[in-house]
Amino acid sequence: QEKVQQSPESLIVPEGAMSSLNCTFSNSASQSIWWYQQHPGKGPEALISIFSNGNKKEGRLTVYLNRASLHVSLHIRDSQPSDSAVYLCAVSMWGKLIFGQGTKLSIKP
Amino acid sequence: GPKVLQIPSHQIIDMGQMVTLNCDPVSNHLYFYWYKQILGQQMEFLVNFYNGKVMEKSKLFKDQFSVERPDGSYFTLKIQPTALEDSAVYFCASSPGQGNYAEQFFGPGTRLTVL
Repeated sequence: QEKVQQSPESLIVPEGAMSSLNCTFSNSASQSIWWYQQHPGKGPEALISIFSNGNKKEGRLTVYLNRASLHVSLHIRDSQPSDSAVYLCAVSMWGKLIFGQGTKLSIKP
Repeated sequence: GPKVLQIPSHQIIDMGQMVTLNCDPVSNHLYFYWYKQILGQQMEFLVNFYNGKVMEKSKLFKDQFSVERPDGSYFTLKIQPTALEDSAVYFCASSPGQGNYAEQFFGPGTRLTVL
């Protein structure tokens, strides 16, 4: 059974700084890894996904995947107050998403 | 972007009653999902559904649970009878395809409280 762990549980970052979130998974053969953003009272919304080892950049977001160490990270450059939300790491196993418990990110103006 | 709607947003029922949670998926999507999130815990996969059939279900998808999408209308999750441990937020999702590159679009959830 795939397990997904996220750290830290919560994070406070000054506006304009870099936010860094971590996720580990248990199965090196896991398929793609997704990062979702969830605001209070809303459903998760996909931000970025990665399949291959290495990094992927989209706008202010960069994600790094290392399958050997079973680790993926999300970095948000120039963090804004609107980035404050819960961030969910999810491993996709042929159409089924296995979620971590989330990291609550707060951006301090 | 594409929107998934869920009705109702909140539902309170007595233990043992039947409840139906409704999901209006994105119009051209073919794959549908339900996830369950108990307060303070991570979201967990319940079931996925394609072409009128359940494709995979987790151990959380008890015998009292059923899903259907009659005639392309709402995708529904029915629980009959309900139990106290069914209290949770239930999220519906849909995707245009299956596999690891297909983004799942989520609704805002239905908060179910079983008394």
